[in-house]
Amino acid sequence: GQSLEQPSEVTAVEGAIVQINCTYQTSGFYGLSWYQQHDGGAPTFLSYNALDGLEETGRFSSFLSRSDSYGYLLLQELQMKDSASYFCAVRDQRDGQNFVFGPGTRLSVLP
Amino acid sequence: DTAVSQTPKYLVTQMGNDKSIKCEQNLGHDTMYWYKQDSKKFLKIMFSYNNKELIINETVPNRFSPKSPDKAHLNLHINSLELGDSAVYFCASSQDRQTEAFFGQGTRLTVV
Repeated sequence: GQSLEQPSEVTAVEGAIVQINCTYQTSGFYGLSWYQQHDGGAPTFLSYNALDGLEETGRFSSFLSRSDSYGYLLLQELQMKDSASYFCAVRDQRDGQNFVFGPGTRLSVLP
Repeated sequence: DTAVSQTPKYLVTQMGNDKSIKCEQNLGHDTMYWYKQDSKKFLKIMFSYNNKELIINETVPNRFSPKSPDKAHLNLHINSLELGDSAVYFCASSQDRQTEAFFGQGTRLTVV
């Protein structure tokens, strides 16, 4: 089957840089995505990596190494509003349709 | 305009009741999903529909029955509700094999 692992919690201070790691096991790989979810809110898409390397979108960057089955989300210049849960996700290996999510990492940004 | 909308946002009901959650997307996507998020925030797929056809049906009790009258709607009906059904249910949609899924606001179901 498929499985993803993430740290359960990360804490950092405003202005800092934090990296959230994700390792995955899947036989059919269609790319690694990241989603953000604030308390009481819906998951929202942040980034997607299909190929190895770093993708940058403003303060957020995402990295993928397919040979290591590993990726990370890098958040720079942390702000209080970045406090949320972050999920990595892969496509379901059965048909590439639905998304299989990691357990989520709770990020707390302190003043 | 809301891309994926689901109603109701909150649902409190007694054990044994039957309830429905509605979902509609105006993005023109071909694929819609129902996810369940438990108290530990695990997001688990329940059903996946593509062009009104059931693609994936995870190990979900048959008290849960999805219905897709057209590709813009995917409703979830739950019979004989149990305490363990309490969770947040998210509807989502995506275009085939595209990278991004769009989620509805969620329905917080509480069974008492």
